[in-house]
Amino acid sequence: EVQLVQSGAEVKKPGESLKISCKGSGYSFTSYWIGWVRQMPGKGLEWMGIIYPGDSDTRYSPSFQGQVTISADKSISTAYLQWSSLKASDTAMYYCARHGDPYYYYMDVWGKGTTVTVSS
Amino acid sequence: DIQMTQSPSSLSASVGDRVTITCRASQSISTYLNWYQQKPGIAPKLLIYAASSLQSGVPSRFSGSGSGTDFTLTISSLQPEDFATYYCQQSYSTPSFGQGTKVEIK
Repeated sequence: EVQLVQSGAEVKKPGESLKISCKGSGYSFTSYWIGWVRQMPGKGLEWMGIIYPGDSDTRYSPSFQGQVTISADKSISTAYLQWSSLKASDTAMYYCARHGDPYYYYMDVWGKGTTVTVSS
Repeated sequence: DIQMTQSPSSLSASVGDRVTITCRASQSISTYLNWYQQKPGIAPKLLIYAASSLQSGVPSRFSGSGSGTDFTLTISSLQPEDFATYYCQQSYSTPSFGQGTKVEIK
């Protein structure tokens, strides 16, 4: 079964760092782009960026460039999303998703999401 | 950036109704348009990709059409499990989503 398993919920204070993970299984992890999507409480979906684990080619939405870092460790089929200094406005659900096609960039497999709460 | 605008933002419908949701792009995106369904507390699910291709396992009552700037998602006969929020997403350039359309029970 193709699946993405995300790390558990996090509660952090403003200014702290954080790295959440997304582990792929059931397919060739290095052959598909993996993306991250933010959903703030009660709001819509926002595409953050993607990484190609095969060569770590990474692309960001301009809205998130410089705010987060996307990385991957292909040896353990895991992608990451990290923050160096969290803000309250980073409170959201974060989904990872496989991009099933290199041209249409549709997201065909999703993780269950990781809730990040940033509060003093 | 390409802006995606969905209409309506919400709608009320009954089981068995035909439902149409519209998505408009701020510039031509050919057929680089995908549709997702999201239920509360659950990750989105891909329904339609490349404007009109049905994702494997998705019921045939869902269909998509359009090209250029105007697209539609149609549910031919609304079922109880279809009450959810629907999002379009363009992938012509840096991907972006529409604001969502919530389909509620009438």
